[in-house]
Amino acid sequence: SQQGEEDPQALSIQEGENATMNCSYKTSINNLQWYRQNSGRGLVHLILIRSNEREKHSGRLRVTLDTSKKSSSLLITASRAADTASYFCATGLRSNDYKLSFGAGTTVTVRA
Amino acid sequence: DTGVSQNPRHKITKRGQNVTFRCDPISEHNRLYWYRQTLGQGPEFLTYFQNEAQLEKSRLLSDRFSAERPKGSFSTLEIQRTEQGDSAMYLCASSPTEYWSSYNEQFFGPGTRLTVL
Repeated sequence: SQQGEEDPQALSIQEGENATMNCSYKTSINNLQWYRQNSGRGLVHLILIRSNEREKHSGRLRVTLDTSKKSSSLLITASRAADTASYFCATGLRSNDYKLSFGAGTTVTVRA
Repeated sequence: DTGVSQNPRHKITKRGQNVTFRCDPISEHNRLYWYRQTLGQGPEFLTYFQNEAQLEKSRLLSDRFSAERPKGSFSTLEIQRTEQGDSAMYLCASSPTEYWSSYNEQFFGPGTRLTVL
């Protein structure tokens, strides 16, 4: 079974707008990562946040982590058509357990 | 290109046939992972290697599935007696071992799309 669950399942926004998607997970984690997948392709790592961190930024991306609520959010600011993709959160459960458990993803469509 | 490569990119086979996929990780990465992804879902973990040792296998990996990583370089994933339910994208990823960090981003290949008729 998958650990994470993204919300919403799909999101359609206008270019220039911000996109926010959320991830909830079930068990305590060591780290949480966000990946992007363009249609039919492999995944690209976006950002990693550790369980003792609350917020991280990378370019137009902002990730928050609330371990008390077992949830994370990914914000993409000033979206571009190239941001059209599926976004997945993935959790690493323990420091010596390297596999990732992915959610079902949020499909983001950015309209020009 | 120094990324993760997978071959073939697409495979169509008839039910009952055996198939083998290959993954070449980034050369300095000693961890290698296999995931399976079905339409509309996120990747599901199948197995992972540290160098040539297979350290963990998911319950998803039935007896018909076998993975190897001889010499700790490339890896192969074989599915014997394929079933229609095996149709999926098979993704390979690799990551480095860094002494200062016990968790790393994973670098994914483009995947092998398997269709079982």
